[in-house]
Amino acid sequence: EPEVTQTPSHQVTQMGQEVILRCVPISNHLYFYWYRQILGQKVEFLVSFYNNEISEKSEIFDDQFSVERPDGSNFTLKIRSTKLEDSAMYFCASSGPQEHPRGGYTFGSGTRLTVV
Amino acid sequence: AQKITQTQPGMFVQEKEAVTLDCTYDTSDPSYGLFWYKQPSSGEMIFLIYQGSYDQQNATEGRYSLNFQKARKSANLVISASQLGDSAMYFCAMREVSGGYNKLIFGAGTRLAVHP
Repeated sequence: EPEVTQTPSHQVTQMGQEVILRCVPISNHLYFYWYRQILGQKVEFLVSFYNNEISEKSEIFDDQFSVERPDGSNFTLKIRSTKLEDSAMYFCASSGPQEHPRGGYTFGSGTRLTVV
Repeated sequence: AQKITQTQPGMFVQEKEAVTLDCTYDTSDPSYGLFWYKQPSSGEMIFLIYQGSYDQQNATEGRYSLNFQKARKSANLVISASQLGDSAMYFCAMREVSGGYNKLIFGAGTRLAVHP
């Protein structure tokens, strides 16, 4: 089955530095998402992206965050100036029609971001 | 108001026994989907099972089945013949289709421990 690929799997960064998390969604999916999970907590929606623009974003997704689809395959999440509280697991996901496998929704394996 | 409620922060079960993990949801959207994911200690989100709101039959995937009671707005996960490898965090999630953007809303999760 097609997979969503995320790189890197783990990233450690200094507070105040910029990080870019990368994702390759499933090729025929049209909707792309980023979610965040702080250690021990629930998974939270950050942003959805459709037709080369943000379709919805949560309160968490402030001006420090941005998303981009720079080419036909990659989907990136940028955090401009990382804070300690940005330490979390970040999941990329993509979705297609509901009748597809997995309810039409596929998650990547996540990037664990640690801000020190 | 919580859209997805998982009332059991922790559950344990004896190996080879069946276990039910509870999930209730709240939506006014007539078209929605319900998901269960397993998250082992390594952190990835593993898709288990999906139920569409218009599906007439309860979903099943191997040892996993979803007890879908639409009038009660519950979508409990049943794991039959538990194995030690089933020990993990389990998340229920809902996808509301209205608006077309299809973000997932997650519950707080249930930590399952399978004892030998």
